[in-house]
Amino acid sequence: QKEVEQNSGPLSVPEGAIASLNCTYSDRVSQSFFWYRQYSGKSPELIMSIYSNGDKEDGRFTAQLNKASQYVSLLIRDSQPSDSATYLCAVKHGSGNTGKLIFGQGTTLQVKP
Amino acid sequence: DVKVTQSSRYLVKRTGEKVFLECVQDMDHENMFWYRQDPGLGLRLIYFSYDVKMKEKGDIPEGYSVSREKKERFSLILESASTNQTSMYLCASSLILGRGYTFGSGTRLTVV
Repeated sequence: QKEVEQNSGPLSVPEGAIASLNCTYSDRVSQSFFWYRQYSGKSPELIMSIYSNGDKEDGRFTAQLNKASQYVSLLIRDSQPSDSATYLCAVKHGSGNTGKLIFGQGTTLQVKP
Repeated sequence: DVKVTQSSRYLVKRTGEKVFLECVQDMDHENMFWYRQDPGLGLRLIYFSYDVKMKEKGDIPEGYSVSREKKERFSLILESASTNQTSMYLCASSLILGRGYTFGSGTRLTVV
């Protein structure tokens, strides 16, 4: 089992729809979770971080965390063509000051006008 | 905003050459990282550093070494470049270990 798993996609949604991106992780003691957006040919850009169970909203983005199910998701409301990118889920494995970020392979999102 | 600068956007090197990839960050971050990114394999950690002159192996350190003589600079060294090291190399830094990283713009290395 991979440490951080994402469906590679592509996930295709029409403009204005809600895009739902999902990620599962294997380490039960993981404390910190991140979503990165990566446009083709560019480097990853941090867009959301979440540390406790529940929802965290930032503009059109909502991150959801369920530690019991070891599941984190990213919802993008009112999807725009400019949201078309690969979204990487990252999880901090280990506790305290040790540990490192483990990245999933990413889900490609296509928003069609 | 933190700026992480990688010295080269594109590099072409010959098999067997010693290659240096440079990374500089301007926000006094303790932690710096080198990843490579390949289609179907995602981001893989090569080396990271918690402090000056300190380094730790990541998941795929073979064929690579690193140097961190100053806090702001973290260099990745390919001792003898091989074609299987053709990849996108990404440097990142973070203030707090395990918190969100800031990535540089990447260096696309081709070894011929």
